[in-house]
Amino acid sequence: AQSVTQLDSHVSVSEGTPVLLRCNYSSSYSPSLFWYVQHPNKGLQLLLKYTSAATLVKGINGFEAEFKKSETSFHLTKPSAHMSDAAEYFCVVKSGGYNKLIFGAGTRLAVHP
Amino acid sequence: EPEVTQTPSHQVTQMGQEVILRCVPISNHLYFYWYRQILGQKVEFLVSFYNNEISEKSEIFDDQFSVERPDGSNFTLKIRSTKLEDSAMYFCASSDNFLGRQGYGYTFGSGTRLTVV
Repeated sequence: AQSVTQLDSHVSVSEGTPVLLRCNYSSSYSPSLFWYVQHPNKGLQLLLKYTSAATLVKGINGFEAEFKKSETSFHLTKPSAHMSDAAEYFCVVKSGGYNKLIFGAGTRLAVHP
Repeated sequence: EPEVTQTPSHQVTQMGQEVILRCVPISNHLYFYWYRQILGQKVEFLVSFYNNEISEKSEIFDDQFSVERPDGSNFTLKIRSTKLEDSAMYFCASSDNFLGRQGYGYTFGSGTRLTVV
């Protein structure tokens, strides 16, 4: 069965410094992986997705993620945090042959001046 | 950009009452879903719907829950007799493709916050 583990429940960075949100996945075959963001009182917005093409995936707002099969990881990064990046971030895996998404527990990103 | 629209954004209901949460998926999408997020917990899959029938449902989706696409544009989630533990944010989503490993992304709505008192 597919699953994802987000290694940090909270991450705090200073504005202008790099962001790293960690995610490990478990899958019996090549997974489809996503990062979603949820701003306070808002819906879930797709940041980026990996679907077995390029291992380095670029998303919106300067975020990117690298699929590393050997490490079963799909960490989300951004070179320079902005105050507007403060939100909850979810690493998500698509469940096998079904269209069901399995969410990680989320990482709350705080950005301080 | 096309959106998934959910109404209402907030709903308060008394325990034991029926509620209907409404969603308008993206017009050319074929697959529809409901997820929920209890405060402080993970987003959980409830049900997927395709070709006018449920294609998959979770253990949470018991007989108290039902879904319907009544008119070709709306997609509804009904909770027959609400319980306190049904209080959560409910997200509707739609997608245009099922192709297994290709993993086409969903589009989620902004959610309906349901509070059962």
